[in-house]
Amino acid sequence: QSALTQPASVSGSPGQSITISCTGTSSDVGGYKYVSWYQHHPGKAPQLMIYEVSNRPSGVSNRFSGSKSGNTASLTISGLQAEDEADYYCSSYTSSSTYVFGTGTKVTVL
Amino acid sequence: EVQLVESGGGLVQPGGSLRLSCSASGFTFSSYAMHWVRQAPGKGLEYVSAISSNGGSTYYADSVKGRFTISRDNSKNTLYLQMSSLRAEDTAVYYCVKGNSGSYDYWGQGTLVTVSS
Repeated sequence: QSALTQPASVSGSPGQSITISCTGTSSDVGGYKYVSWYQHHPGKAPQLMIYEVSNRPSGVSNRFSGSKSGNTASLTISGLQAEDEADYYCSSYTSSSTYVFGTGTKVTVL
Repeated sequence: EVQLVESGGGLVQPGGSLRLSCSASGFTFSSYAMHWVRQAPGKGLEYVSAISSNGGSTYYADSVKGRFTISRDNSKNTLYLQMSSLRAEDTAVYYCVKGNSGSYDYWGQGTLVTVSS
């Protein structure tokens, strides 16, 4: 199972909005609603930010939103803050009954 | 409060074996699928294995199939990962993760496995 494709890095100034893409195939992202996003600060445990494409867990800021079109899912962070600087990963359920992660995106707040 | 505490990591020689454990608390362990996810040094997250809530179904990434075995003891609220025929590329931090609605909603702090001679 090949990793989902994400941009290696995305940057933005405080207050701006950024979008991270996650491209797979019809056997994973395009075929299921089970797409999720994770924020990972190095040295800490990853945190779930979005599940089932666009749902936010309790306690996650509404500045984070998710969507999907075809084989590509997206995570948008609005009102970018310094604390949002981290690595972000998408994940999807697959036709093999397993899961696959994206390649990861480093978000930099300028 | 959900807690997942991994143990069993360490240094092992290539070809060796190791068993990871994950002690779970703060939720009804027997009601949820559980997963192992790893991160090699300087690399991204990688799905390793999953097990259904009753242990009846198990799943593996191609990279570990035939070498790793996932299991659980619902009476002890504990998840396991038996790793054998270890390779240098298995060196990583291994996370125990609780599954929910096709996502991973709680993660442990991870345990480091180093495969080296």
